[in-house]
Amino acid sequence: DAKTTQPNSMESNEEEPVHLPCNHSTISGTDYIHWYRQLPSQGPEYVIHGLTSNVNNRMASLAIAEDRKSSTLILHRATLRDAAVYYCILQGNAGNMLTFGGGTRLMVKP
Amino acid sequence: DAGVIQSPRHEVTEMGQEVTLRCKPISGHNSLFWYRQTMMRGLELLIYFNNNVPIDDSGMPEDRFSAKMPNASFSTLKIQPSEPRDSAVYFCASSLVGGVEKLFFGSGTQLSVL
Repeated sequence: DAKTTQPNSMESNEEEPVHLPCNHSTISGTDYIHWYRQLPSQGPEYVIHGLTSNVNNRMASLAIAEDRKSSTLILHRATLRDAAVYYCILQGNAGNMLTFGGGTRLMVKP
Repeated sequence: DAGVIQSPRHEVTEMGQEVTLRCKPISGHNSLFWYRQTMMRGLELLIYFNNNVPIDDSGMPEDRFSAKMPNASFSTLKIQPSEPRDSAVYFCASSLVGGVEKLFFGSGTQLSVL
């Protein structure tokens, strides 16, 4: 399976934008890029996913590099409730199976 | 929709005892996943089912672990006998099979084996 690389942790100030990077240099043409996050003491929750084009939803934006070897999850205005571990995951077309890596722990300062 | 429901929320047991974790997926979902989370190993996929059939159980640690899905609305993960190293949070997730579908996770079962 193609792997992803994320920083272990990042810090942000409340109400400022946050850019969470993910490298996936071995991504294949059919791999989707998914982002999930896990709030403290909860199960992971879906954030966003994309294939080639940038994507926006009410939670975040996903910017995908032209060569697809990296992507960035953008939180436009971080709040304290956004403090969580953010996982970048590649999903091949072999089904729904998702393999989670270590993720990035985002800390938000008031 | 109530989401994915797991029970119990917490389980404390003694080494050697049988432990059964339960999961009710979201109605209409036909894929179900069991994950385990520890500080050391992170989130690991144990097994997943499509349409009640186990598709990949390569993540199941050993024969002490077994999982069943007798119908579309219920699944169990059993550990017999349990060991202290099985202590972890066990998550169940469900989704629609095929394509690119979101996984919806339950709140997890915190298992402590003493």
